[in-house]
Amino acid sequence: AQTVTQSQPEMSVQEAETVTLSCTYDTSESDYYLFWYKQPPSRQMILVIRQEAYKQQNATENRFSVNFQKAAKSFSLKISDSQLGDAAMYFCAYRFPTSGTYKYIFGTGTRLKVLA
Amino acid sequence: DTGVSQNPRHKITKRGQNVTFRCDPISEHNRLYWYRQTLGQGPEFLTYFQNEAQLEKSRLLSDRFSAERPKGSFSTLEIQRTEQGDSAMYLCASSLLAATDTQYFGPGTRLTVL
Repeated sequence: AQTVTQSQPEMSVQEAETVTLSCTYDTSESDYYLFWYKQPPSRQMILVIRQEAYKQQNATENRFSVNFQKAAKSFSLKISDSQLGDAAMYFCAYRFPTSGTYKYIFGTGTRLKVLA
Repeated sequence: DTGVSQNPRHKITKRGQNVTFRCDPISEHNRLYWYRQTLGQGPEFLTYFQNEAQLEKSRLLSDRFSAERPKGSFSTLEIQRTEQGDSAMYLCASSLLAATDTQYFGPGTRLTVL
């Protein structure tokens, strides 16, 4: 069965510094999508970044980038120039392949604290 | 259209009562998902619809749970005879039927069963 593991329950970073959140997953599929979502306190989940497994190039969105290592089944999120507004729970998610239900499997999340 | 909306945002009920939640997806989205999120956990898949058809239900969805999407637009999730273990955040998400199929989440309904 597909699983997603986030081994860091909580991380802290100084404002303007860089932090990396870890995610590993287990699947026997070759084609799938991976996502990072941000969930601010008492607010809805927001898509941060998406990676297609067939693409070798790591996805980037402004200050957010991923390090996708398909063979190692690793999908880490790097946040550069951290801002106070980045403080939130971050969830890594795996999406079943296109022939399936498209449902997401989420990790347990990493709480990111940004220190002023 | 500003995104996925859910009502109510909070619901407190007594054990044994029935509750119903509503989700309004992004208007052109034909896929709709329900997830449950308990404290300290990531969301867990409950069920999903493609248009009005409910195509998959999780084992988490006991027979006390029922979901509908009668006209392929909004959806309702009903829990009958609520139990304290049903206390959780219930999230709705919608997406376009497309290869990218990114899901957009609503703010959730927080259910507390006393």
